[in-house]
Amino acid sequence: EAQVTQNPRYLITVTGKKLTVTCSQNMNHEYMSWYRQDPGLGLRQIYYSMNVEVTDKGDVPEGYKVSRKEKRNFPLILESPSPNQTSLYFCASSFVTDNEQFFGPGTRLTVL
Amino acid sequence: GQQVMQIPQYQHVQEGEDFTTYCNSSTTLSNIQWYKQRPGGHPVFLIQLVKSGEVKKQKRLTFQFGEAKKNSSLHITATQTTDVGTYFCAGETSYDKVIFGPGTSLSVIP
Repeated sequence: EAQVTQNPRYLITVTGKKLTVTCSQNMNHEYMSWYRQDPGLGLRQIYYSMNVEVTDKGDVPEGYKVSRKEKRNFPLILESPSPNQTSLYFCASSFVTDNEQFFGPGTRLTVL
Repeated sequence: GQQVMQIPQYQHVQEGEDFTTYCNSSTTLSNIQWYKQRPGGHPVFLIQLVKSGEVKKQKRLTFQFGEAKKNSSLHITATQTTDVGTYFCAGETSYDKVIFGPGTSLSVIP
């Protein structure tokens, strides 16, 4: 089944404790992206990747890191999480930027 | 910076009434996509519009892309409870960036 998977789905952590949210797609998509969703603000892009080893900042990259060592995986790293990073995070992928994006199920992160 | 706005933010309709959400960009878009997110779910692609003035229909949903490629609309005829959710537009700019609007949350009263 073609899909985007994210893990974990839910995470409660404390300020400053490094964490990684994994994202994997099995559709051989070149384009992958991370978004955060907050009430009233819609989906804001954090980072995106056009292909392996190519990553670029989105609109809200501060406090986040990503890597794209393999085509299928695009992990999101929070080196030192803070409470303002409490949010719902979505990973998405598509063949290219102007194709439909397939979203993962989301990761709800709470930073205390 | 580049922005994509949507109005209204919320809409409550009686089942059977029509619904329209409008999307406006501060810059010209290469294309626009529409997504639907059910409560507790993830965004799901509905459609993509590319040409100036393009109109596409999917059953009770009608999508339009403005002549200047800076605005778009989604119209639902005779809403049903299955239409409940948040509708997002997403515009691709000339710099290969995709910008999502804040969404319109639709509630349908049976």
